[in-house]
Amino acid sequence: EVQLVQSGAEVKKPGESLKIPCKVSGYDFTTYWIGWVRQMPGKGLEWMGMIQPRDSDTRFSPSFQGQVTFSADKSITTTYLHLNNLKASDTATYYCTRQPNFLDYWGQGTQVTVSS
Amino acid sequence: DIEMTQSPSSLSASVGDRVTITCRASHDITNYLAWYQQKPGKVPKLLISGASTLLSGVPSRFSGSASGTDFTLTILSLQPEDVATYYCQKYDMTPYTFGQGTKVEIK
Repeated sequence: EVQLVQSGAEVKKPGESLKIPCKVSGYDFTTYWIGWVRQMPGKGLEWMGMIQPRDSDTRFSPSFQGQVTFSADKSITTTYLHLNNLKASDTATYYCTRQPNFLDYWGQGTQVTVSS
Repeated sequence: DIEMTQSPSSLSASVGDRVTITCRASHDITNYLAWYQQKPGKVPKLLISGASTLLSGVPSRFSGSASGTDFTLTILSLQPEDVATYYCQKYDMTPYTFGQGTKVEIK
């Protein structure tokens, strides 16, 4: 069974950093890209970018280029979304997704709240 | 970058009605178009890939079609469990942009 398991909700202060894990199981981790999607409160889905776990090649949406980074650890079949210098505007739910092209499996989402 | 314009932004229809949601790409994306359903408070779910291929387990009242750069998601007979926001997404090349979403409610 394909599963993408994310961490629980996070509350951070402005200026702090956060690394959101996405633990993958149920298929060969290096076969498919892993995508990341942001959903701000009450808003739509935004494709942030993706990482190929085999070689950590990454692609970003122009809206998120330079704002976030991705990494992957093949030894534990986990990818990470890195958010630095957090702002209130980073408050959102972040989803990881398996991405053969379309997004066929989704993590449960990590809700991030940034507040002083 | 290619823009995806989805319409309407919301609609209200009666149970049993036929519902149509449209997504227009600003340039040719061939049929690299997916539709997702997100029920309130839930994780998005893939319904259709390749513009018209229904994923396994998706009710047959859902269908997708394409005409040039215009794509349509149709719910043949709206059911109460179809209350959700629906998104299109292009995946021909990065960025894999989503449409703005269509919120479907029951009248």
